[in-house]
Amino acid sequence: QKEVEQNSGPLSVPEGAIASLNCTYSDRGSQSFFWYRQYSGKSPELIMSIYSNGDKEDGRFTAQLNKASQYVSLLIRDSQPSDSATYLCAVSALVFGTGTRLLVSP
Amino acid sequence: DAGVIQSPRHEVTEMGQEVTLRCKPISGHDYLFWYRQTMMRGLELLIYFNNNVPIDDSGMPEDRFSAKMPNASFSTLKIQPSEPRDSAVYFCASTPSGSFPEQYFGPGTRLTVT
Repeated sequence: QKEVEQNSGPLSVPEGAIASLNCTYSDRGSQSFFWYRQYSGKSPELIMSIYSNGDKEDGRFTAQLNKASQYVSLLIRDSQPSDSATYLCAVSALVFGTGTRLLVSP
Repeated sequence: DAGVIQSPRHEVTEMGQEVTLRCKPISGHDYLFWYRQTMMRGLELLIYFNNNVPIDDSGMPEDRFSAKMPNASFSTLKIQPSEPRDSAVYFCASTPSGSFPEQYFGPGTRLTVT
């Protein structure tokens, strides 16, 4: 079993919709969780971090964490074509999922 | 700040040749990481250093891979001999804190071994 699991996608949403990206992890002792965005041919860049159960909002982005279910998600409201990228979930900073490709159509 | 610098950006080599990838972390960052990214396996941590000392090299795939950090501003990842399955994008990243709140990634080196 992979340590961090993500659906590879692509996840296709229309412009203005909410995109929901999900991630599950296997290590119950994990304390820190991160979402990175990676445009094609570029390096990953951090967009959200979350350490406690519940929701954390930053602009159009909301990260949700449920440690009991070992589940972390990223919601992107009012999706824009510029949000089209691969989103990587990272657990304990060093273990990354394979990423979910998001496509936002105009 | 210039960010994390990696060289070369692209490397094409023949199987059996030695390959050396280079990284300059952001000044003042105490931690340096080497990752490999492929479509099949995603982003994998190979090794990381704290204050120039290797802390965890459990991700280094085999003895053909070696990494060094002779000083705070320079690190190398060497593959000898290279094989076609080593073809990937290799990223270097750095962070100033032991809690790894955010890693700053370099632009990557795309390695192709023919």
